[in-house]
Amino acid sequence: KAGVTQTPRYLIKTRGQQVTLSCSPISGHRSVSWYQQTPGQGLQFLFEYFSETQRNKGNFPGRFSGRQFSNSRSEMNVSTLELGDSALYLCASSYGLAGGSYNEQFFGPGTRLTVL
Amino acid sequence: AQSVTQPDIHITVSEGASLELRCNYSYGATPYLFWYVQSPGQGLQLLLKYFSGDTLVQGIKGFEAEFKRSQSSFNLRKPSVHWSDAAEYFCAVDSSASKIIFGSGTRLSIRP
Repeated sequence: KAGVTQTPRYLIKTRGQQVTLSCSPISGHRSVSWYQQTPGQGLQFLFEYFSETQRNKGNFPGRFSGRQFSNSRSEMNVSTLELGDSALYLCASSYGLAGGSYNEQFFGPGTRLTVL
Repeated sequence: AQSVTQPDIHITVSEGASLELRCNYSYGATPYLFWYVQSPGQGLQLLLKYFSGDTLVQGIKGFEAEFKRSQSSFNLRKPSVHWSDAAEYFCAVDSSASKIIFGSGTRLSIRP
């Protein structure tokens, strides 16, 4: 069974631009969560989608948004990029809502976003 | 609010030596606890998890962790480290809102 895939793996953008990242979960998984990882802030939860609905959201500005499609693939969008958005963006999938006894999260390799 | 503290930013141990990585959590109820490992340029891989029951949990790659409620700790241990264990290790707690809260991580270096 294929793991979680994220595209692209690396991305360079300039301030003010927008970016869309993609995540394909493990087949059969219905939940996709997004995390931002930076050296200063560590791993921070962005949001979780389950059955095309946002179920949980972290403390990020409205510039960060996402969506999930009927095939459970998810996209994350960041508008009006700032230098501080440079980070590794990780996607994780699970069968049900993340966490709990039976819904282990499996992580993708991440997308490295650099904002110049 | 739930939180996870990993007090050691960087640890260096000799190959073959024992390892213990510390993790303390703050959570009102019995938490779900996790340890993940991240190799450079890679995503996170789950090493082990604690939900309930036996407080000593066995994981992959020879790792184990012990849940101590009285100390709010969930320390990760390995009796003998290998050079391939060099990586960053994250402790995490599953909050009541189904959000995984991660600690700041401990970078492990292995001395030959």
